[in-house]
Amino acid sequence: SQQGEEDPQALSIQEGENATMNCSYKTSINNLQWYRQNSGRGLVHLILIRSNEREKHSGRLRVTLDTSKKSSSLLITASRAADTASYFCATLRMDSSYKLIFGSGTRLLVRP
Amino acid sequence: NAGVTQTPKFQVLKTGQSMTLQCAQDMNHEYMSWYRQDPGMGLRLIHYSVGAGITDQGEVPNGYNVSRSTTEDFPLRLLSAAPSQTSVYFCASGKAEINEQFFGPGTRLTVL
Repeated sequence: SQQGEEDPQALSIQEGENATMNCSYKTSINNLQWYRQNSGRGLVHLILIRSNEREKHSGRLRVTLDTSKKSSSLLITASRAADTASYFCATLRMDSSYKLIFGSGTRLLVRP
Repeated sequence: NAGVTQTPKFQVLKTGQSMTLQCAQDMNHEYMSWYRQDPGMGLRLIHYSVGAGITDQGEVPNGYNVSRSTTEDFPLRLLSAAPSQTSVYFCASGKAEINEQFFGPGTRLTVL
């Protein structure tokens, strides 16, 4: 089974609104990363948060990490139609396996 | 820099045929990996490598082989194609710290 599970599976919002996506995982992690995928394309790295960090910002993106709940959230503020894409979390496990495991993704639709 | 390149972009195979998906990167990255993505799903890790001569299994390795004879190349071999291997295959690379991963454009494989 996959390490990360995103919630919700799909999200539809109006341009200008904020979008929040959540990711839960099962085992202890070294870092957690968020990626974006436009339809039919490869994934693009957005932001990384390490296990000893609680919050990180990058432009309109804010990521939080709660290791006690094994969960993370990605907030996109002031969304734009161009933010329409699928968003995935990926976790690097704390063990020595060096496996970067992806979740099932959230499909975000931003309506103009 | 070309980044991560994958060939071919599209491939149709018959059940039982074998083939190799090519992946190359010119960023001198130690870490390389292969994922498959089924429709509406997240990415599942097939195999990965932390450096030349070192490979290991991911979540769904059955039916696939890899080798890493050079830092630049990480081919994925399908031994005897099955319809269940119909998917989009992504190759990715990154530094040894397994932080930001750079993805190729993908290979869309159909097995009849």
